[in-house]
Amino acid sequence: IQLTQSPSSLSASVGDRVTITCRASQDISSYLAWYQQKPGKAPRLLIYAASTLQSGVPSRFSGSGSGTDFTLTISSLQPEDFATYYCQQLNSSPPFTFGGGTKVEIK
Amino acid sequence: EVLLVESGGDLVQPGGSLRLSCAASGFTFSSYGMDWVRQAPGKGLEWVAHIGSSYSFIYYADSVKGRFTISRDNAKNSLYLQMNSLRDEDTAVYYCARDRNAPVRGILTRRFDYWGQGTLVTVSS
Repeated sequence: IQLTQSPSSLSASVGDRVTITCRASQDISSYLAWYQQKPGKAPRLLIYAASTLQSGVPSRFSGSGSGTDFTLTISSLQPEDFATYYCQQLNSSPPFTFGGGTKVEIK
Repeated sequence: EVLLVESGGDLVQPGGSLRLSCAASGFTFSSYGMDWVRQAPGKGLEWVAHIGSSYSFIYYADSVKGRFTISRDNAKNSLYLQMNSLRDEDTAVYYCARDRNAPVRGILTRRFDYWGQGTLVTVSS
């Protein structure tokens, strides 16, 4: 199963609404997670089961979608949100493929 | 507090071997599957290997199959990755991650909910 993220990078301002998409090459139901990674740090789980917010993650992050098309939305971008975001499919057995990543930069 | 601490990363020549370790604490290690994920310099994340909670269900990415071996010691709360026949393209930061498989809306759903800080493996002559 291949995951295609778009865009690969974007520039946005603090307060902007940001949307990142992830498309799977076949139906993965809701078996999708989103991670945030900052330079030099480990990835951090944001969303799992396509739309369930991980404990401790701010509510400005939300996920939606099922089947092959998924979206991560940041409702109001904050300075600490500038990072790279990855989707991952966890449908049944491995490989647990990651998308190519979306780098969110300051405009 | 859940903690995962990797160790064992080093500079190794092509064709060489290395064993990575991941020490777990703050949770019942034997109840969780575990994974290794790597990230080459400036690149994205690549899933490497998975091992089930009771040494069952071992899987590998095609890129490492036959060269890498994942294992665990539940008595020592430790995860391992034995890497043989290393290649230049294995150069990466290697992360261990806890693989939580629990019900969401009544359906077992997996996610990697805790990650270690990573250990750097450099394969170069």
